[in-house]
Amino acid sequence: DAGVTQSPTHLIKTRGQQVTLRCSPKSGHDTVSWYQQALGQGPQFIFQYYEEEERQRGNFPDRFSGHQFPNYSSELNVNALLLGDSALYLCASSPGLAGGGDTQYFGPGTRLTVL
Amino acid sequence: TQLLEQSPQFLSIQEGENLTVYCNSSSVFSSLQWYRQEPGEGPVLLVTVVTGGEVKKLKRLTFQFGDARKDSSLHITAAQTGDTGLYLCAGVKYYYGGSQGNLIFGKGTKLSVKP
Repeated sequence: DAGVTQSPTHLIKTRGQQVTLRCSPKSGHDTVSWYQQALGQGPQFIFQYYEEEERQRGNFPDRFSGHQFPNYSSELNVNALLLGDSALYLCASSPGLAGGGDTQYFGPGTRLTVL
Repeated sequence: TQLLEQSPQFLSIQEGENLTVYCNSSSVFSSLQWYRQEPGEGPVLLVTVVTGGEVKKLKRLTFQFGDARKDSSLHITAAQTGDTGLYLCAGVKYYYGGSQGNLIFGKGTKLSVKP
C-alpha cells in the first residue's frame, strides 16, 4: 500500500515565477492538506481539500491556490514567487471523519528553493 | 491566534539519559499529536492523545495530555542514538460544519543523542 507521494522532490525557481506541486494521497484517503515548513520551524497549515473543494484555509495570501481532482490527488500552486516562499512543502492525507479523520499521513515533501 | 510553545528548542544528551519535552498552549484542543521528523522527510505520527489526563506509552516513550487539554509532555527513558530527530507536537481543532480540523504545530524540539 503506497503512502502519500509528492512530486517533484526538489525544485529551484526564481522570484516572480509560478510553481505547481503535486500530491497523491494514501489509498482510501479523501482529504488532503498542505503545509509549509520553513527551515527551523514547524509546519504551517496552508489549506485543506475535501470533495474537490477548499474546506479550510490558513493565513496564506491568495498567491497560494490549490485543486483537488476526482481521484483525490491534489495540486498546490504558488504564483509570483518570493524568496520567503523557500520551504519544504508537505502534503498530508487523511481518511476523513468517517474513517477516524484526525490521523494525517505526511508525504516526504517538496523542497522549493526560490532564488 | 492559537500557538503551541515547545521547550526546549534544542536538546543534546548522551545515550542512556532521560529527557522530557514540553508542549504548552493557552487554547484547548480536541486532541494533541506528537510527530517525529527526520531531515528531508515528512513528520511521522507517534501518538494521539484525546482525553485530559491521558497517559500513553510507546516502548521507551511516555506521552501525557494535561487535564485541561492545553498541554502535553513527551518523556524518553534511556535515550538511544536512533531517537535523534525533530519532535513536533500538533494540536487538532474542529471547525463548525463538521469539517475535520487542521493541525497546529509547535516549532519543534531538535533532539540529538550522542553515543
